[in-house]
Amino acid sequence: GQNIDQPTEMTATEGAIVQINCTYQTSGFNGLFWYQQHAGEAPTFLSYNVLDGLEEKGRFSSFLSRSKGYSYLLLKELQMKDSASYLCAVSGYGGSQGNLIFGKGTKLSVKP
Amino acid sequence: KAGVTQTPRYLIKTRGQQVTLSCSPISGHRSVSWYQQTPGQGLQFLFEYFSETQRNKGNFPGRFSGRQFSNSRSEMNVSTLELGDSALYLCASSSPSGSYNEQFFGPGTRLTVL
Repeated sequence: GQNIDQPTEMTATEGAIVQINCTYQTSGFNGLFWYQQHAGEAPTFLSYNVLDGLEEKGRFSSFLSRSKGYSYLLLKELQMKDSASYLCAVSGYGGSQGNLIFGKGTKLSVKP
Repeated sequence: KAGVTQTPRYLIKTRGQQVTLSCSPISGHRSVSWYQQTPGQGLQFLFEYFSETQRNKGNFPGRFSGRQFSNSRSEMNVSTLELGDSALYLCASSSPSGSYNEQFFGPGTRLTVL
């Protein structure tokens, strides 16, 4: 079956660093996405990993280990506006990249 | 470039009724995917359309159906509504010409079934 696990909630302090983990077991893998979703809004794309290793994009970095079925999203210099849900998603189920299997999301609260 | 648009944004229906939701993808995008989002289950894949053909389908009952038109606009239909169908329905479009298939999400249609 398809299974993607990530912590339900996390709390961190403004200016700090937080790491959100994601483990997955899926049939078919063409890549792993991270999306950010603010309450009441649509998800927005943060990062994509298809090869093992770290992808850095400003304050956000994402890591993938395909052999371990593991990814993490690293957020540096946290800001209040980073309070949101972070969704880990795997593409490639059914041989297509047009469908994503999502984890249930990690709700991050950034406190002053 | 305009983003993904979905209509209507909010909808209230009663059990047993049917509903049709509409999605207009970003211009030039030919792939449209639909997702259901609920607090308990999170985001779940419904189906994907590409060039008017359903390419993939998630694990939802036959009451959920969709289609795509030649201009890539897509509709999804839910018949015989149940209380559990109350959710945010999100549409996402993507362009397979990119190096990866980043999906751009619309604002969603919030469906409430009474």
